[in-house]
Order: sequence, then structure tokens, then C-alpha cells
Amino acid sequence: EPEVTQTPSHQVTQMGQEVILRCVPISNHLYFYWYRQILGQKVEFLVSFYNNEISEKSEIFDDQFSVERPDGSNFTLKIRSTKLEDSAMYFCASTRGSRVTEAFFGQGTRLTVV
Amino acid sequence: KQEVTQIPAALSVPEGENLVLNCSFTDSAIYNLQWFRQDPGKGLTSLLLIQSSQREQTSGRLNASLDKSSGRSTLYIAASQPGDSATYLCAVRPNYGGSQGNLIFGKGTKLSVKP
Repeated sequence: EPEVTQTPSHQVTQMGQEVILRCVPISNHLYFYWYRQILGQKVEFLVSFYNNEISEKSEIFDDQFSVERPDGSNFTLKIRSTKLEDSAMYFCASTRGSRVTEAFFGQGTRLTVV
Repeated sequence: KQEVTQIPAALSVPEGENLVLNCSFTDSAIYNLQWFRQDPGKGLTSLLLIQSSQREQTSGRLNASLDKSSGRSTLYIAASQPGDSATYLCAVRPNYGGSQGNLIFGKGTKLSVKP
């Protein structure tokens, strides 16, 4: 069964460093998303991406964040200068269509900023 | 602003019981509602998707209902098993101009099924 895959599963980084989280969405899906979940809190939407551009972003997704689809399969989230409060589980998701289709999530990357 | 609430926050039941998890949302303008399962430290597994025009969906021992006008959904689990122990998340997809389909989540119900 097709699935969304994320790497790495866990990343530890020093405050101020740049990190790149990687995702391979399901191959015939067209819409890609990043969400995050701070420990003990709700899963929160960060950004959606379609047709090689950002289609929607939340207030959390500020200038420190960027997304890219560098090739036909990968979808990345970059955090330029990490802060302690960026520590969270980051989930990638994809959907075949935009509004009415089922969302499939990856296993997540646990980011720890020290 | 859409808010999603799940009650109870935690639930412990003996194996074999039928149980109901509740989800409420403040704005009935949604495209659909999706239930997920999350195991500790793991990703989200999609369980059921209910479109706004539907009243319920079934998959195996799971049945989800949707009452859009009252802003409620329930997830019914029949004959619960220890393997059902996990956190169950409810998420709605708002229907408003410009929305590209992002999900708004509740905090989840942590279910423990005792053998």
C-alpha cells in the first residue's frame, strides 16, 4: 500500500542551526502539507503546497520556514535558524485532490533543538 | 475561527466493550471530517473520512457518524481489543473561501483497552 515516508525519524540540532526535513509523498498525489505537533499539544497546520508553490500557510510558518519540491518525488521543509520552541514532531501529508480527498500522513520526524 | 474539541481526553475500558469517542466542532462549514489513530511517538493513521453530505462511514469494527448542523461526530468502536489502545484524533477540513484543504485537529482521546 502506498505511503508517505519521512526522513530522518529523529534529528537533534543546536539552536541557530539550519535543518531540512524530507518527505516523499504518495506518488500520484498532487497536494502536499506540513504539520507539527509540540509534545502534549494539538497537531497544527503549517503549510500546503500545490503546483510548485505555497497555496496556504499558517501564522506559524514565518520567514524562518521554507518548503521546496526539488525533484519529482521529494518535498522538504527547511528551518533556517532553529529555536528551542521549534522542537516538535513534524508530519508530512499528501492528498490526491485538495478539499474532499483523504489525507495520508507520514510517520513524522522528531526534531529536538538543544 | 474553527475549534475542534474531543471528549473525553482519556478513556480506559475492559476488553470486549463497545465504546464511543466524541468530537465537536464550532463551525459547521466543513468539507469533511477525518478520524485518525496515533500510536505513541508515531505518525497518524487514517481511519475514516466522512464527507459533509454523508451521515456515517464504516470500516470493520469502526463506525463514524457526522451531524454537521450540530457540529458533532462520534467514533464507535465495537468489541474493543488491547490492540485498539492508542490516541484517536478527529480533524475537520474547513469550507471557507481560499481554503486549500488544511485540517484542524482536536487534541485527541487517549484510549486504553485492558485485557
